[in-house]
Amino acid sequence: AQSVAQPEDQVNVAEGNPLTVKCTYSVSGNPYLFWYVQYPNRGLQFLLKYITGDNLVKGSYGFEAEFNKSQTSFHLKKPSALVSDSALYFCAVRETTRSGNTGKLIFGQGTTLQVKP
Amino acid sequence: NAGVTQTPKFQVLKTGQSMTLQCAQDMNHEYMSWYRQDPGMGLRLIHYSVGAGITDQGEVPNGYNVSRSTTEDFPLRLLSAAPSQTSVYFCASSYDSYGYTFGSGTRLTVV
Repeated sequence: AQSVAQPEDQVNVAEGNPLTVKCTYSVSGNPYLFWYVQYPNRGLQFLLKYITGDNLVKGSYGFEAEFNKSQTSFHLKKPSALVSDSALYFCAVRETTRSGNTGKLIFGQGTTLQVKP
Repeated sequence: NAGVTQTPKFQVLKTGQSMTLQCAQDMNHEYMSWYRQDPGMGLRLIHYSVGAGITDQGEVPNGYNVSRSTTEDFPLRLLSAAPSQTSVYFCASSYDSYGYTFGSGTRLTVV
């Protein structure tokens, strides 16, 4: 079965420091990977996606993610964290079967990012 | 362009009651999904649809029904509410399943 794992429940970082939120995946075939962010009492907002091409994907709010096929990882990164980046972050993979794209998005359990001043 | 609209935003039900969570999108998206979000569990897929008239079960479909009679609407029905269905429910839609737009959620409490 296809799955996504976010090994850290919470990541703490000081404002101005670089941040990394980890994600690993398990899929059959080529992965289609996504990062979403959820602010308190809000729905999820799309940050970025990897479909094909460059392994470093740039997204919204200065975030980027690095796709690593050999390590089956898709870690979210930002060079300099802001207090306003504090939120819940979800990694997701689009399910693909032998029949093709099912349209289903499978989410990890989420990682809470806490950026302290 | 309102995006994905979910109603109601909050609801309290008694055990055994039924209700429908509404989801509508005005972006002409073919793909629509319902998720529930519980602490420490991430988002779990309940039901999804790849177009009008086509629905399928996700990871946790028991106790929920869906239908997709139009492209715009994808209601989620709770047949007989149980306390285990207390959760936050999100509807999402996508044009091509490469990126989903989420609604703001419905917070449901079953007592």
